[in-house]
Amino acid sequence: KQEVTQIPAALSVPEGENLVLNCSFTDSAIYNLQWFRQDPGKGLTSLLLIQSSQREQTSGRLNASLDKSSGRSTLYIAASQPGDSATYLCAPITDSWGKLQFGAGTQVVVTP
Amino acid sequence: DGGITQSPKYLFRKEGQNVTLSCEQNLNHDAMYWYRQDPGQGLRLIYYSQIVNDFQKGDIAEGYSVSREKKESFPLTVTSAQKNPTAFYLCASLGTADSLKDGYTFGSGTRLTVV
Repeated sequence: KQEVTQIPAALSVPEGENLVLNCSFTDSAIYNLQWFRQDPGKGLTSLLLIQSSQREQTSGRLNASLDKSSGRSTLYIAASQPGDSATYLCAPITDSWGKLQFGAGTQVVVTP
Repeated sequence: DGGITQSPKYLFRKEGQNVTLSCEQNLNHDAMYWYRQDPGQGLRLIYYSQIVNDFQKGDIAEGYSVSREKKESFPLTVTSAQKNPTAFYLCASLGTADSLKDGYTFGSGTRLTVV
């Protein structure tokens, strides 16, 4: 069974610093990997989707890398803002049914 | 705009009651999923469905039931057999035409509390 670990569990930085969020997974046979953001009491918002054939994906200040062979993905957020405060979740898809396996998330606080 | 609508946003259940959470999507997605989220834990899969009139158990299906009579609807019933139903419930969908290239869309969730 796929196990997903996200490190660190929590992170607090001053505004303007770059954020680095790590995700590791035990089964490298993934179809793709999706990064989500969750605000307190809200649903999940998709940030980036990386196909298994890709090494990275970028959207604005966000960049996600994928190293399938080592079972790792990293989400970089440049020049953090207080509005980036949220929990970030990574989720690989490892079967044709499309089931996601989630990590517990990284809770980010960006202070003004 | 296309998306997933979950209702109600908050739901209170008395002991011994069955309650049904609604999930509707207008994305024309084939696959739909129900996840449960507890504080400090990752999301766990309850049930999923790839086509109408067919669904599969996920990792924590005991005490739950679903139906998929229409493509756009995937309601979840929390039965009295679910001993600890207090949680945040999230519905999601995935288009299967190029399903694994498009990624998931999630609803805004239903918070269920036992009173």
